[in-house]
Formats: sequence, structure tokens, C-alpha cells
Amino acid sequence: GDSVTQMEGPVTLSEEAFLTINCTYTATGYPSLFWYVQYPGEGLQLLLKATKADDKGSNKGFEATYRKETTSFHLEKGSVQVSDSAVYFCALKGTGNQFYFGTGTSLTVIP
Amino acid sequence: KAGVTQTPRYLIKTRGQQVTLSCSPISGHRSVSWYQQTPGQGLQFLFEYFSETQRNKGNFPGRFSGRQFSNSRSEMNVSTLELGDSALYLCASSLVIDTNEQFFGPGTRLTVL
Repeated sequence: GDSVTQMEGPVTLSEEAFLTINCTYTATGYPSLFWYVQYPGEGLQLLLKATKADDKGSNKGFEATYRKETTSFHLEKGSVQVSDSAVYFCALKGTGNQFYFGTGTSLTVIP
Repeated sequence: KAGVTQTPRYLIKTRGQQVTLSCSPISGHRSVSWYQQTPGQGLQFLFEYFSETQRNKGNFPGRFSGRQFSNSRSEMNVSTLELGDSALYLCASSLVIDTNEQFFGPGTRLTVL
């Protein structure tokens, strides 16, 4: 069945460091792919998305490219800030138009 | 425009009891989905409602049920609570069904003792 596997956390980085959070997926067909962010005490917010192969989603300095050949959708940011501290979820919309989420990666950015 | 609201925000119950959680979607949104979030499993899809009808269901036991009212508000019920039901229950609303855009509420934290 459809599933998402993402990098285990927690991840701790210094401010202005480069961020990569790995995400790979298993799905039949051509799913849409998403990154969501969850700040403490809040629900998930859509960070970026890509709906077809080679699409690049981007928002707030974050980027992810839909790689069909490697079934990956890694999240990257060139220079993280303290305000980026949150939990990040990779997700796909697959079979039956159902969303499948990864387990989440906690990011802490220290000044 | 107000976001998705969920009530209550926190609940403590004991094993064997039942619980009802409520979700009010963004005004105009007609689809409501429910998810269970646990540290080890991430988010797992429970069910989706659209126009008062369940359109999709995840792999959860029959103890988990839901409904949607004519104003699009939704409730989720869990009967005969088990310790493993302790989780954050998230509701997400979207304008229509089968869309990529869903907006999440802050969740209801359920603790089963």
C-alpha cells in the first residue's frame, strides 16, 4: 500500500545552517506530495506541495523536488532560523484520494 | 475568516468510557477529515465526510465512528476507550472533496487512563 518514510529526528541545527529532511514514498500511480509543518500547540499547516514529477514546491525559503526516479521528496532550506523550530511531516495523496503521512521530524534551531 | 476549531482541546477519560469530539470547519468548507496523531505512528487517517456522508474510511476498528451535520460540523466518537487511544485527534477541513488543500485545526488531546 501507499506509505511515506521520513528521516527520524530529532534534528538540532545552529541558526543559518543548511537543512535537509529526507522523505521517500511508496505509491501506485502518480501521487501528489506535500510537506506540512506543525508548531507547538497548533495543527498542521501546508508548507509546500508538488503534484507531478520534477515539480519543485517552494515556500518561505523551503524547497522540495518531486523525484519519481528515486521516489523522494526531500525538504531543504539554505539557512534556518530559530522560528523554523517545529515538527515537519511529509505526506502523499494516493490511493482513494487518501492522505498518508510520515511520522514527523522534529527540528530545533539554536541561536 | 475563522480557522478550523476543535472542542474540547483536552480530555481525560478512563478505559471503557466513550468520548465525543467536535470539529467546526472553516466557513463554506464542506469536507471534514479526521486523523489520529501518535508519536510512533505519525498521522493516521480515520475518515472523511462530505455533505453528511462518509466518503472514505481508514483502517480503524468500529469503535471509531463519526458523523457530519448539515452545517458541515463534524463529530467523532470513540466507544469503549483503550489506553492505546490516547492521542492527538486532528480535524481538517477543505472546500470540496478530492482536493489537495486541507486546513487543520489545533486538535483535541485525549488521554485515556
